[in-house]
Amino acid sequence: GAGVSQSPSNKVTEKGKDVELRCDPISGHTALYWYRQSLGQGLEFLIYFQGNSAPDKSGLPSDRFSAERTGGSVSTLTIQRTQQEDSAVYLCASSPPGTENEKLFFGSGTQLSVL
Amino acid sequence: SQQGEEDPQALSIQEGENATMNCSYKTSINNLQWYRQNSGRGLVHLILIRSNEREKHSGRLRVTLDTSKKSSSLLITASRAADTASYFCATVSGANSKLTFGKGITLSVRP
Repeated sequence: GAGVSQSPSNKVTEKGKDVELRCDPISGHTALYWYRQSLGQGLEFLIYFQGNSAPDKSGLPSDRFSAERTGGSVSTLTIQRTQQEDSAVYLCASSPPGTENEKLFFGSGTQLSVL
Repeated sequence: SQQGEEDPQALSIQEGENATMNCSYKTSINNLQWYRQNSGRGLVHLILIRSNEREKHSGRLRVTLDTSKKSSSLLITASRAADTASYFCATVSGANSKLTFGKGITLSVRP
């Protein structure tokens, strides 16, 4: 069906507030990834979900960041007590079975601005 | 931490010319991929080359891999204005490892 869908596309929040970013992967894709891209920078890995395995959380920058994936499909990235340095584009991607970390399909991202 | 580093950081060429972009990495890899990003948003997968491969082609794209030099190059032949974008190399190292991206190359193709 459609590609990876992320919402909202833009989010402006005040420092200290919590935000939730949503990702709907492509139907049937078993692997789901979150990356963060700051202005003019490459992509910073955050977290990787693969099927029913425990997620790889090694990229989460602090305990203010958490993510879950419900029913093996939709994922939510939560940032608590946002800071200005959290401002970035948050990109979600998914992969079909057998192509984990070989071909990622990206969404258009959520531009997060923390004032 | 970033594994791949692209070179140059920015490239400007005339439409019809070839564009060559390079990527170097630090540790042994399972595979290396190139992605394109338009308008600072979602990335599009272009091509993957495995560690036991030396060259791959896809349309106007040619990727080479030199594991002895820990480097790869992406060649876009007969460039078009629509090829204007940022290009990223990404690598996977070791089992169950994540895909790590470089900082990207900004390619501008002048009409």
